Formats: sequence, C-alpha cells, structure tokens
Amino acid sequence: GPKVLQIPSHQIIDMGQMVTLNCDPVSNHLYFYWYKQILGQQMEFLVNFYNGKVMEKSKLFKDQFSVERPDGSYFTLKIQPTALEDSAVYFCASSRQGLSSQNTLYFGAGTRLSVL
Amino acid sequence: GDSVTQTEGLVTLTEGLPVMLNCTYQTIYSNPFLFWYVHYLNESPRLLLKSSTDNKRTEHQGFHATLHKSSSSFHLQKSSAQLSDSALYYCALRGNTRKLIFGLGTTLQVQP
Repeated sequence: GPKVLQIPSHQIIDMGQMVTLNCDPVSNHLYFYWYKQILGQQMEFLVNFYNGKVMEKSKLFKDQFSVERPDGSYFTLKIQPTALEDSAVYFCASSRQGLSSQNTLYFGAGTRLSVL
Repeated sequence: GDSVTQTEGLVTLTEGLPVMLNCTYQTIYSNPFLFWYVHYLNESPRLLLKSSTDNKRTEHQGFHATLHKSSSSFHLQKSSAQLSDSALYYCALRGNTRKLIFGLGTTLQVQP
C-alpha cells in the first residue's frame, strides 16, 4: 500500500540545538500531519499542513516548532531550540483529502527523538 | 473536547480464542468517524477498519467492529486470534475537525 517514509528513524541531539525531522509523504497526497507520542502516552496531534500553510495546530505545537514542504520535497518538522520535553516519537502522516471525515491517514514508522 | 478511551493497556490470550478490544469515545459531533489502526513493532501504524454508520458491522482481515452511537462504542473483535495478530491497536476518532484523536492503545499478545 501507500508508504510514508521518515528519516532518520532515531535522532539524538543536545538540548538547545536545532533538529529537523524529515518525512516523505505519499506522492499524490495533499495534506500532511505531525503527531507526537511521548513514551507510554497516546499519539497527540501537533499540526496539519496544506497548500504551503499550517491549517490547524494544537497547543503542543510550540513557537519553537515550524513545518514546511519546500517545492514538493520532504515535509519537515523543525524544532529550534530543542528542550528535554521534546523527547518523543514523532509520526508523520499524509492523506489525499483533508476536509472529509472519512479520509484515511497514512503514517510513517516514526522518528524517535532523544534530547539530552 | 473529543476523547477516546481504551480501557485495557494489555490483553493476553491464547491462539484460537476470540478477541475483543474495547473502545469508547466522547464527542459532541453527531456524525463522528471511528477508526482502528494496528501498529506492528518497527512498522508504521496502518488503518485496519473505519466506520461512521451507526449499527453497521464493518470487517477487514478477519476483524470486525460496529459503531454504536447509543453507547459511544466501537469495539474491535475477531472470532479466533492468531499469533500474527500480536500488535498494538489504536482506536481513533475524527469529530468535526481535521484532527484524528487517538486512544492510549491496547497491546494484544497472542500466545501459542
């Protein structure tokens, strides 16, 4: 089936540094999402992105977070600067449609971010 | 706000026995969409089932679930568990926003 690729699978970084998480969404998908999962907790919505803009974001999407998809390449999540509480698994997802309730989200395998 | 509750963190059962993973939800939206995602270790979570139709059974790959709006439930069932069903199962809800709200997940361990 359709695949979303996330690179890298694990990233270790020192607190205060910048990190960029990369996502290669399904090729004909137009809507993109990031979810955050802290160990032992549920996957929580961070942000969704369409047509070059953030459509909706949660309170977890702090000012230090930003997303972009320059020229149809990777969909990225940048955290600058990182904090200890940013340690989590970040899942990228994409979908063809965004407004319809029935649209299916396709997820990547996640990037485990460890902030030291 | 919208929420999903999965009461069991871990379900362990013997191969061949029936499976039932509980899922209840809360939303003020009258036409929610409910989903079950399955997450195998080191793979991507992938969609197993989805439904928005009240009291209609939906099936896929031997699993089935029925959305009951009267009880706000969408329990996942299978008649006979297989070893390969061992995974993490997430129930998720989409209300009237683009967000997908997940439960905590239930780990299913099937033993020989």
